[in-house]
Amino acid sequence: GDSVTQMEGPVTLSEEAFLTINCTYTATGYPSLFWYVQYPGEGLQLLLKATKADDKGSNKGFEATYRKETTSFHLEKGSVQVSDSAVYFCALSDMFSGGYNKLIFGAGTRLAVHP
Amino acid sequence: DVKVTQSSRYLVKRTGEKVFLECVQDMDHENMFWYRQDPGLGLRLIYFSYDVKMKEKGDIPEGYSVSREKKERFSLILESASTNQTSMYLCASSATTETYGYTFGSGTRLTVV
Repeated sequence: GDSVTQMEGPVTLSEEAFLTINCTYTATGYPSLFWYVQYPGEGLQLLLKATKADDKGSNKGFEATYRKETTSFHLEKGSVQVSDSAVYFCALSDMFSGGYNKLIFGAGTRLAVHP
Repeated sequence: DVKVTQSSRYLVKRTGEKVFLECVQDMDHENMFWYRQDPGLGLRLIYFSYDVKMKEKGDIPEGYSVSREKKERFSLILESASTNQTSMYLCASSATTETYGYTFGSGTRLTVV
């Protein structure tokens, strides 16, 4: 079945460092891809998305490009802040046998940013 | 501000109890979902519902049931709680995942002792 693989965390960075969190996927069709973020004590929030190959999603300084040839959707940010400390989940949309969509999540990557 | 509300942030229940987790959304979404979140395993889908009174099993439905009597409310039921059901439970809703993704509640951390 379809699946999402993320780099294991935790990722620990100093403020203003460059961030990359790797995400690769396996899918039989042409899924949409998402990054969600979970701040401490909260639910998940949609960070960005891309619906087709070569699309770039971006939000709050984060960006990710849908690479069909490498089946990847890596998350990047040029200069992280302490407030970016959170758990980041990569996800893809998939179709149920009944024709309904569902999201498949990676295991999550915890990011800790220090001053 | 649109949202998904889960009735409890923290719950402690005893083994064998029947447990109800409630979720309400105010976005008129057709689809609602229950996930559990465990360290190293990410989010795993328990059940989902695409319409009132409709339900479908997700990847790990054993030991759980659901109820959707009204469009805005989706309840997760642990028929007889066990310690291996100690987890964070997340409810979500969506109109369509292709464009908008899901909106999540803040989660309920359930401890079964």
